[in-house]
Amino acid sequence: EDQVTQSPEALRLQEGESSSLNCSYTVSGLRGLFWYRQDPGKGPEFLFTLYSAGEEKEKERLKATLTKKESFLHITAPKPEDSATYLCAEISGNTPLVFGKGTRLSVIA
Amino acid sequence: DGGITQSPKYLFRKEGQNVTLSCEQNLNHDAMYWYRQDPGQGLRLIYYSQIVNDFQKGDIAEGYSVSREKKESFPLTVTSAQKNPTAFYLCASSIHWGTGEAFFGQGTRLTVV
Repeated sequence: EDQVTQSPEALRLQEGESSSLNCSYTVSGLRGLFWYRQDPGKGPEFLFTLYSAGEEKEKERLKATLTKKESFLHITAPKPEDSATYLCAEISGNTPLVFGKGTRLSVIA
Repeated sequence: DGGITQSPKYLFRKEGQNVTLSCEQNLNHDAMYWYRQDPGQGLRLIYYSQIVNDFQKGDIAEGYSVSREKKESFPLTVTSAQKNPTAFYLCASSIHWGTGEAFFGQGTRLTVV
């Protein structure tokens, strides 16, 4: 069973159309929840760290939030340059980073 | 500039050959990692190293080997025992073990011909 589950697998938005990406994680022993952005053919780039329920982090049009069961990446008024795959990852217990399969976001002008 | 460098960017391997992927970092990070990414899949952990001269198997270590003789370097060898090696390989580092903020290289795309 996957420890980190992301939905949807793919999302297509019009420019300016806000939406949210979901990440469900292993509830027990969570030490951190992380969001990364990956452009095609490149390595992931770190975006945010969340440690406890209720925490929020923002960067430009992106805001990451954490509840007791899941995390959301909210994208407000997206632009075409926000098109990428967004990866969620967790550290729980003494494990290294465990990644979800990602959400592939396309923003159409 | 500090960063993590993988080479080569593209690599072709014949059946039965071993190949080595290079990963070097000048960030003075203790921990280093190798992940494999297949189309439409997330990142799967091959090997990781918490500190120099130490490494552990990840979820899919069969057919791979690593070494960590220097803090800066964590090469990955894909052996002939790896039956399906065609994939995108990513190396990463973090300042300490257990830190979720990882820095990734640009990846090596390995193709078996």
